[in-house]
Amino acid sequence: AQTVTQSQPEMSVQEAETVTLSCTYDTSESDYYLFWYKQPPSRQMILVIRQEAYKQQNATENRFSVNFQKAAKSFSLKISDSQLGDAAMYFCAYRRGRGAQKLVFGQGTRLTINP
Amino acid sequence: DTAVSQTPKYLVTQMGNDKSIKCEQNLGHDTMYWYKQDSKKFLKIMFSYNNKELIINETVPNRFSPKSPDKAHLNLHINSLELGDSAVYFCASSHDRDPFSNTEAFFGQGTRLTVV
Repeated sequence: AQTVTQSQPEMSVQEAETVTLSCTYDTSESDYYLFWYKQPPSRQMILVIRQEAYKQQNATENRFSVNFQKAAKSFSLKISDSQLGDAAMYFCAYRRGRGAQKLVFGQGTRLTINP
Repeated sequence: DTAVSQTPKYLVTQMGNDKSIKCEQNLGHDTMYWYKQDSKKFLKIMFSYNNKELIINETVPNRFSPKSPDKAHLNLHINSLELGDSAVYFCASSHDRDPFSNTEAFFGQGTRLTVV
């Protein structure tokens, strides 16, 4: 069974600085997708960034980028120029490729932004 | 223009009652899901339906019964509610028909269920 591990229950960063959230996963599949979701206090689950396993290039979305190390099964999220609105729970998630597949989530990392 | 909507947002009920949570998506997706987020914020899949057909049932007690009248709706009915059912329940949908389509799931705003 696939598992996702986020080893940092909590992280904090000064506003405008850079922070990296860690995620590792375990799978024997070759075709899969990885995601980072953000859950602010409003409870809404918001997709931050997506990475296809077959793509070697790391995904980027404005201030958010990932470091995808397929051999090491590592998928970290880097947030640059942190803003107060980035404060939230961040979940790393995995899903197998193709068809109706479930998301397997990590335990989450609570990110605090210090002004 | 809400993509995935759940009702109600909050539900407080007594042990032993039966309750339903409704979910609708207007994204044209063919797959819908129910996830449960416990008090420690851990998210886990409960059910998934693809074109009204049950695809995933993750060892959920029989008291939980999903119903999908059509592709755009997936409701969750819970019988004989227990204290341990208190959690946030998320509905989600994704587009899986096309193998090259985006596969991210879009989530509803969640329903916080409190059983007293």
